[in-house]
Amino acid sequence: GDSVTQMEGPVTLSEEAFLTINCTYTATGYPSLFWYVQYPGEGLQLLLKATKADDKGSNKGFEATYRKETTSFHLEKGSVQVSDSAVYFCALRRNSGGSNYKLTFGKGTLLTVNP
Amino acid sequence: GAVVSQHPSWVICKSGTSVKIECRSLDFQATTMFWYRQFPKQSLMLMATSNEGSKATYEQGVEKDKFLINHASLTLSTLTVTSAHPEDSSFYICSAIGGLSPYNEQFFGPGTRLTVL
Repeated sequence: GDSVTQMEGPVTLSEEAFLTINCTYTATGYPSLFWYVQYPGEGLQLLLKATKADDKGSNKGFEATYRKETTSFHLEKGSVQVSDSAVYFCALRRNSGGSNYKLTFGKGTLLTVNP
Repeated sequence: GAVVSQHPSWVICKSGTSVKIECRSLDFQATTMFWYRQFPKQSLMLMATSNEGSKATYEQGVEKDKFLINHASLTLSTLTVTSAHPEDSSFYICSAIGGLSPYNEQFFGPGTRLTVL
C-alpha cells in the first residue's frame, strides 16, 4: 500500500538556519505530494504541493521538489524564523478515480526554532 | 482559507459512556468530510469518509458500530464514540472538502483530544 516516511524529529534550529526535512514515499503510479503545517492549537494547513514529477512547490519561503527517480519530496527553507515552529507533515494522494483521493500522511516532524 | 471547527477541543469521559464530537465547516459547504485518528508520534490515520446525506465509508479495521458518523448537513458532521474504552483515547481530527470534486483541497479542524478513564 501507499506509505510516507519522513525524518524523525524533533528538529531544533537557531533563527536564520537552513532547514531540510526529508520525505520519501511509496505509491502506485504518480501521486500528488503535499506538505502540511500544524501550528500549536490549530488544524493542519496546506503549505505547498506538487502534482507531477519535477514540479516545485513553494510557499512562505519553503520549497519542495517532486523527485520521481528518488521518490522524494524534501522540504527546505533557507532561513527559518521563530514563527516557523510547528509540526510538518508530508503526505501523498493518488490521482486516479474512485476512492483514491485519500491522503496518506507521514508521522510528522516537530520543528522548534530558537531566537 | 476556509475554516473548519471542532467541538469540543478536549473531552474526558468514563469507560462505557458515549462521546460525540462535532465538525463544522464555517464558511463553505462541505460535500465530503473525513475523520482521522492520531496517536502520539504517529501519522494521521483515516477512519472514515462521509458524504452529506449518505452513509459513511469506513476504512478497513475501523468498527462502524463503535464510531458512528453522521453527515446530516453540508456544514456539520459528527463522530460518536460509543461505549468508549481507554484504548479509544486519542486525538481525533476532521477535515472537509468543498465543491463537487473529491480532489479539492482538504481543510482541517484543530482536533479533539479524547481521554477515556
